[in-house]
Amino acid sequence: QQQVKQSPQSLIVQKGGISIINCAYENTAFDYFPWYQQFPGKGPALLIAIRPDVSEKKEGRFTISFNKSAKQFSLHIMDSQPGDSATYFCAASLYTGANNLFFGTGTRLTVIP
Amino acid sequence: EAGVAQSPRYKIIEKRQSVAFWCNPISGHATLYWYQQILGQGPKLLIQFQNNGVVDDSQLPKDRFSAERLKGVDSTLKIQPAKLEDSAVYLCASSSGHRFITVEQYFGPGTRLTVT
Repeated sequence: QQQVKQSPQSLIVQKGGISIINCAYENTAFDYFPWYQQFPGKGPALLIAIRPDVSEKKEGRFTISFNKSAKQFSLHIMDSQPGDSATYFCAASLYTGANNLFFGTGTRLTVIP
Repeated sequence: EAGVAQSPRYKIIEKRQSVAFWCNPISGHATLYWYQQILGQGPKLLIQFQNNGVVDDSQLPKDRFSAERLKGVDSTLKIQPAKLEDSAVYLCASSSGHRFITVEQYFGPGTRLTVT
């Protein structure tokens, strides 16, 4: 059972454009939602994370939008750059407890120069 | 600050053989995780340690997988005997938090296992 569903599977964006990746979750007990960036041959690295008490969080060119009622959250990458080309994973976990991460299936982003 | 170290980086074995992976977490991190990442999928937790105790191993196939974290630092993950479906990248992660606080998990580069 996939606890976090992610789309699209792949995304191609022109340099300077906006990349948008969407995720949906089922477990209403989740209350920590991170996004990870993974380059080939590397482990995932935390990009940005949000808790459900806010609807949006921005860090530089990266923004998370969170819709608690719809159980959805998304990553927006503004002014996308070729260096952003990587696989992006959304995830969710419980704020307390074992807090292991449940990952989405990933989105392979390619930014064309 | 040194990151999470894993070895080997690559391993090719035949089915029914055994294999072991090693992880050295970031110094001082009490929590250690092993994830399995099958090609084209997101990582899936296999086991979580808090110091040298197991917090969650509900997704670990215990008939063939085992893991230990002696002295609450390094950890090893073993597969015996391996099956074709075990081909994946095995990621180790660590964090400084305990079970009541969610903090960032830092991932190692992973070990890519191919079972033929």
